[in-house]
Amino acid sequence: DAGVTQSPTHLIKTRGQQVTLRCSPKSGHDTVSWYQQALGQGPQFIFQYYEEEERQRGNFPDRFSGHQYPNYSSELNVNALLLGDSALYLCASSLSQSRSNQPQHFGDGTRLSIL
Amino acid sequence: QKEVEQDPGPLSVPEGAIVSLNCTYSNSAFQYFMWYRQYSRKGPELLMYTYSSGNKEDGRFTAQVDKSSKYISLFIRDSQPSDSATYLCATDAYNTDKLIFGTGTRLQVFP
Repeated sequence: DAGVTQSPTHLIKTRGQQVTLRCSPKSGHDTVSWYQQALGQGPQFIFQYYEEEERQRGNFPDRFSGHQYPNYSSELNVNALLLGDSALYLCASSLSQSRSNQPQHFGDGTRLSIL
Repeated sequence: QKEVEQDPGPLSVPEGAIVSLNCTYSNSAFQYFMWYRQYSRKGPELLMYTYSSGNKEDGRFTAQVDKSSKYISLFIRDSQPSDSATYLCATDAYNTDKLIFGTGTRLQVFP
């Protein structure tokens, strides 16, 4: 049973560029959440997708956007990259709230470095 | 005030010691609590998942929630060098699937 998979594992970009990160959820999961983890900090919630729609969003600017596909996989897009966007980007999957509270399972993340 | 607070450590203990990791949270409405373990260059791995107050045990790990003091703990018995990692506490704030994490405590268990 495959867990949450993310690609790529590591990415280097320059300021002003755009980036797309990808996530495949754990088998059977239908909800995908994205988190940003800066060095030495806990993950910070970016947004969550369910039924191909953004269900809730954390305190991140509109430069951060996402998408969920019918097979539940998801993408995180970041435009106009800033040095401060350098972080580990984590994808987590779970069953939707409608099936009672379910824990989130994380992938190993994409490490994004901005030069 | 942060919604979840956690001492970043580092915490260094000898092999075999009992480890106590702790977090406090700000809102008494929080009901679901988790502990994740994160090895270097890896994603967080779910260790324990608890609801409301009380204890939950799984092998060498015990999670404890004290709602009266808004305090959550993770105890590790007979600690091993393989337990060396960062431990993150988290809550499912307002039961919305939006996790709020502490900063993580770095634990080192030396032989």
